[in-house]
Amino acid sequence: DAKTTQPNSMESNEEEPVHLPCNHSTISGTDYIHWYRQLPSQGPEYVIHGLTSNVNNRMASLAIAEDRKSSTLILHRATLRDAAVYYCILRDWGNGGSQGNLIFGKGTKLSVKP
Amino acid sequence: NAGVTQTPKFQVLKTGQSMTLQCAQDMNHNSMYWYRQDPGMGLRLIYYSASEGTTDKGEVPNGYNVSRLNKREFSLRLESAAPSQTSVYFCASSPTGTGNYEQYFGPGTRLTVT
Repeated sequence: DAKTTQPNSMESNEEEPVHLPCNHSTISGTDYIHWYRQLPSQGPEYVIHGLTSNVNNRMASLAIAEDRKSSTLILHRATLRDAAVYYCILRDWGNGGSQGNLIFGKGTKLSVKP
Repeated sequence: NAGVTQTPKFQVLKTGQSMTLQCAQDMNHNSMYWYRQDPGMGLRLIYYSASEGTTDKGEVPNGYNVSRLNKREFSLRLESAAPSQTSVYFCASSPTGTGNYEQYFGPGTRLTVT
């Protein structure tokens, strides 16, 4: 499975933008980039995903490098509720079975200061 | 619409005891998953069910069995619990096993084996 590399931790101030980086230099053409986050003592929740183009939704934006070897999750205005572990995951959409499954790394622990 | 529900929320077992973790979803999803999360780690896939009537091993299946009882329910059984199975267990579901549908996670079951 293609792997991702993320910083172990990051800090942000409340109401400021946050850029969470992810490197995935071995990404294949059929890998989508997924982001999930896990709030303390909760199950993970979906944030956003994309293939080649930048993506926006109500939670965040995803900026994907032109060569697709890296991406950045952007939280436009961090709130205290955004303090969580953020996981960047590559998911092979083209095949059935286990290749469609999510492979979680350790993620980036985001702390938000008031 | 409750989403993904898991029972019990907490459980303490003695080594060698057995138990079944229950999971149900009300979103009419085809695929369901069981993960475990050890302290400071990302989630690891134990078993998954791409559709009703099928189950497959994930990354760490040893010591576990699963049953896809119907489209709504997917249970995880520990036949003879061991201290190494102390973990938080998450169930998830998604509309399909392939493609890029997000997974929806339950709140987790915190299991301690003494």
